[in-house]
Amino acid sequence: DTAVSQTPKYLVTQMGNDKSIKCEQNLGHDTMYWYKQDSKKFLKIMFSYNNKELIINETVPNRFSPKSPDKAHLNLHINSLELGDSAVYFCASCVGAGTDTQYFGPGTRLTVL
Amino acid sequence: GESVGLHLPTLSVQEGDNSIINCAYSNSASDYFIWYKQESGKGPQFIIDIRSNMDKRQGQRVTVLLNKTVKHLSLQIAATQPGDSAVYFCAGEEAGSYQLTFGKGTKLSVIP
Repeated sequence: DTAVSQTPKYLVTQMGNDKSIKCEQNLGHDTMYWYKQDSKKFLKIMFSYNNKELIINETVPNRFSPKSPDKAHLNLHINSLELGDSAVYFCASCVGAGTDTQYFGPGTRLTVL
Repeated sequence: GESVGLHLPTLSVQEGDNSIINCAYSNSASDYFIWYKQESGKGPQFIIDIRSNMDKRQGQRVTVLLNKTVKHLSLQIAATQPGDSAVYFCAGEEAGSYQLTFGKGTKLSVIP
């Protein structure tokens, strides 16, 4: 019954590694997002896809690359991980373009050592 | 760009009392606002939303008030319960922007 799911829930890795986080929504939504939440709980949008097309690409290092194989999935690949990438990453989805409630996944806590 | 912020980072209330969490926004073009609740170790959960053509909206035990003149919104929780303990975020969106901008969050602690 999970609406927005993410895997893995926890990810611990060494600096310089490449890792991916996966997100799936079964709500039939057209738009999906990735957010980063820092240690002070501040939530900042990173990317948004609408029907598999990138529509928001905030100032994020190009080591971060989102991929949307279909509108139900939005994965986040991170190359050459750095200490500052440690955070909780949330996926979210909403029905369509703007002014719609976003539904969040449970988050992936990434720790870079 | 928009910034959305909160007046108080922490709030402690006695169980059964009413809670009021405040939020200010800077983008006058924002026309949609949401309050989210985030419990420890979980993702933000939708509580209530309001569009800019409204001043007030009520849900179950929660009320959101929007004052567009001073660009301020608040979340009122009636008869606060221990299960309400969480971090609360306001978020605002400009029509067609696809983008929610979140405030910094207020941690609500309910004292039994």
